[in-house]
Amino acid sequence: SQQGEEDPQALSIQEGENATMNCSYKTSINNLQWYRQNSGRGLVHLILIRSNEREKHSGRLRVTLDTSKKSSSLLITASRAADTASYFCSPAQGGSEKLVFGKGTKLTVNP
Amino acid sequence: GAVVSQHPSRVICKSGTSVKIECRSLDFQATTMFWYRQFPKQSLMLMATSNEGSKATYEQGVEKDKFLINHASLTLSTLTVTSAHPEDSSFYICSAPTQGLDGYTFGSGTRLTVV
Repeated sequence: SQQGEEDPQALSIQEGENATMNCSYKTSINNLQWYRQNSGRGLVHLILIRSNEREKHSGRLRVTLDTSKKSSSLLITASRAADTASYFCSPAQGGSEKLVFGKGTKLTVNP
Repeated sequence: GAVVSQHPSRVICKSGTSVKIECRSLDFQATTMFWYRQFPKQSLMLMATSNEGSKATYEQGVEKDKFLINHASLTLSTLTVTSAHPEDSSFYICSAPTQGLDGYTFGSGTRLTVV
């Protein structure tokens, strides 16, 4: 298992703006997962992108993966106050391996 | 979708007592459960991995005699914090891989306060 490094550590935007956060990792992966954590709650799975995919969409979320650069980005379009949360990426080899997490990106969307 | 139900959501206990936290997979079989601890404004730290019917695997630095993990069935894993101390106060979260589906499902967490 390896930990992803999210960047930036904190991001503050206005409602309606887009939010972009990045994730870098060190060794080859089978997939990369993004999770959201609202304050004082468990993590919610947002999206999984496999190593043979370059881009994936889910509602207002767009995830890209560049395996040559060992990086991924999560874009949240037309942000809402309810998107305020911490976002974590987790690079994975697949199967039921243990996930480890970095410090995340703390996103604040101001109304 | 897959749901992991975690109880209790909050618990306050006295120093020296034990507290049990339960995680149940409601609509899938969780042969593996991961237990995390999260201190304020920090990331999740993996404590241990429990596997149904076998002993748990603990991460380095985690005391197995203090954090007892039991995974006696395919739908229930428990974490017992024994002889709790104030420094054990934290947010504990469980997680299970959702077989055949993308990603992992997390419980809603347990806020433990030891006084």
